[in-house]
Amino acid sequence: DAGVTQSPTHLIKTRGQQVTLRCSPKSGHDTVSWYQQALGQGPQFIFQYYEEEERQRGNFPDRFSGHQFPNYSSELNVNALLLGDSALYLCASSLDGSSYNEQFFGPGTRLTVL
Amino acid sequence: DQQVKQNSPSLSVQEGRISILNCDYTNSMFDYFLWYKKYPAEGPTFLISISSIKDKNEDGRFTVFLNKSAKHLSLHIVPSQPGDSAVYFCAAPIGGSNFGNEKLTFGTGTRLTIIP
Repeated sequence: DAGVTQSPTHLIKTRGQQVTLRCSPKSGHDTVSWYQQALGQGPQFIFQYYEEEERQRGNFPDRFSGHQFPNYSSELNVNALLLGDSALYLCASSLDGSSYNEQFFGPGTRLTVL
Repeated sequence: DQQVKQNSPSLSVQEGRISILNCDYTNSMFDYFLWYKKYPAEGPTFLISISSIKDKNEDGRFTVFLNKSAKHLSLHIVPSQPGDSAVYFCAAPIGGSNFGNEKLTFGTGTRLTIIP
């Protein structure tokens, strides 16, 4: 089992561009959550997808959107990139209703906005 | 608004000694707390949790203590080992449950360095 995988590993974009990050959950998991971790900060919840719908959302603008596919994989899209969007983006997968010790994070995608 | 706070950005401890990492929270509705460990180039991994109905939870070398009146929790690692060098985050589910579908709020982390 490959665990949670994310692609790409690193990405460099310029202000105003759009970016798509991808996450494949651990086998058997159906829920995907996305977090943003800025330098020197803890992860901040962006949103969570379950059954191809956004189930919960954190305090992020509409420029941040997502999608979940029938195979439970997920994408995070960010439009009109700002310098402040530079961060590590983490994806976590779990099985709905399971406890936190059964939620796994991927290694993250490092996004740099110039 | 930082609802979970870790005021020590870094901590260095000699191998074999006790490491104590601290965390404070402001929301008295929080009912469940977690500690995560993060190595460079890896995602956070769950370490240990505690429910508010307990004041202590132990798992091997790791013990978490909760003081609800002080809104304070701490993670004790004893004895500390070089492989414990990592960034440690405390976190709490916003909704207060221990089910993994709740959004988590994290502290800013403490970088622990174990000196051989």
